Amino acid sequence: RKEVEQDPGPFNVPEGATVAFNCTYSNSASQSFFWYRQDCRKEPKLLMSVYSSGNEDGRFTAQLNRASQYISLLIRDSKLSDSATYLCVVNRAYGGATNKLIFGTGTLLAVQP
Amino acid sequence: DAGVTQSPTHLIKTRGQQVTLRCSPKSGHDTVSWYQQALGQGPQFIFQYYEEEERQRGNFPDRFSGHQFPNYSSELNVNALLLGDSALYLCASSSYSGFLPGGYTFGSGTRLTVV
Repeated sequence: RKEVEQDPGPFNVPEGATVAFNCTYSNSASQSFFWYRQDCRKEPKLLMSVYSSGNEDGRFTAQLNRASQYISLLIRDSKLSDSATYLCVVNRAYGGATNKLIFGTGTLLAVQP
Repeated sequence: DAGVTQSPTHLIKTRGQQVTLRCSPKSGHDTVSWYQQALGQGPQFIFQYYEEEERQRGNFPDRFSGHQFPNYSSELNVNALLLGDSALYLCASSSYSGFLPGGYTFGSGTRLTVV
């Protein structure tokens, strides 16, 4: 079982649609949570951090449920420019200040005109 | 402000050969992590370097080795290349002194093709 699991996708949605991505993580020692966006053949870029209280950035809303070890991302009013792969990422700390990012497989979103 | 620089951007190698990939971290960062991203997969952690030592290692064979230099730049070496090593290799830099949300900066990667 993968440590971070996501919806396999792809998600094909029309412009203006609302789309939700879900993610679960298996290691309760995970400390920080993120959504990254990756455009085709490019590097991943941080979209937003995810907090238990829920957080919003414009059309994007992220939510964390530590009890269920579940992370979500909601995109409202989808734009063509939102087409990308969305990666669910957790950060796990080790001894000292050492930590590493653990990525899910990613979910491909294609917004259609 | 220079971000993370990786070289080369693309590389084609033959099975059995050896390859060296290079990474210069973002200014002010002292830790370098390497990731392998196969097609259709998320990045997989290879290892992390700080103070010229390997601090963490993912589930990769000994064919994968690395080095960090006093100026914090890093190299990833892969010996005895296999077809399955074909992937995008990403370098990410961060600061060891404390993890901050979004504290990782990724380079644009090296695309390795093994034929």
